[in-house]
Amino acid sequence: QLQLQESGPGLVKPSETLSLTCTVSSGSISSSNYYWGWIRQPPGKGLEWIGSIHYSGNTYYNPSLKSRVTMSVDTSKNQFSLKLSSVTAGDTAVYYCARLAGYPAWGQGTLVTVSS
Amino acid sequence: QSVLTQPPSVSAAPGQKVTISCSGSSSNIGQNYVSWYQQLPGTAPKLLTYENNKRPSGIPDRFSGSKSGTSATLGITGLQTGDEADYYCVTWDSSLSAWLFGGGTKLTVL
Repeated sequence: QLQLQESGPGLVKPSETLSLTCTVSSGSISSSNYYWGWIRQPPGKGLEWIGSIHYSGNTYYNPSLKSRVTMSVDTSKNQFSLKLSSVTAGDTAVYYCARLAGYPAWGQGTLVTVSS
Repeated sequence: QSVLTQPPSVSAAPGQKVTISCSGSSSNIGQNYVSWYQQLPGTAPKLLTYENNKRPSGIPDRFSGSKSGTSATLGITGLQTGDEADYYCVTWDSSLSAWLFGGGTKLTVL
């Protein structure tokens, strides 16, 4: 069964760049035509899609975050990554990596707090 | 405000049935699969149904997904207190080239 695991700093300073990596196991990130995505959930709020990336490097981003988001993929490590620049307290959230299409699979999530 | 509209809350008694609606448009629900998730406090969303009406292994048949036109519905029968949670629908929007989440529905089992 496909497994995803987020990793990265739990605390980021305002105006800096948030960086997270998702490691995929029990399946190859490049073996299918699916996109791999990031979703976040601010405390007490709903789920928000950030963006998705194909192993070829093609991306789709949420228009509301597009100017600050960069996603990349490393097929040799079976990983994909998220960078969110110029963060503010409003970017504090639990960040999930997931495959939303086909048979969906999610990571357990990682809390990222933006604070000085 | 979400493009996919869900009722903020629903409630029913133990043992009863409840339905949660998710309303969209022709560019999202109307032409793409819908998934439903259950989220208990402090936990990651748990997949309940995918591709409109398929259930992952381990999900009891008390949970069912359906779709008609530009709306989708999650049905839960034989309600249990453990079903109290937030529920989200999600689908792809072909016009926006974006994944959309519903705003979430809080289920209370009275």
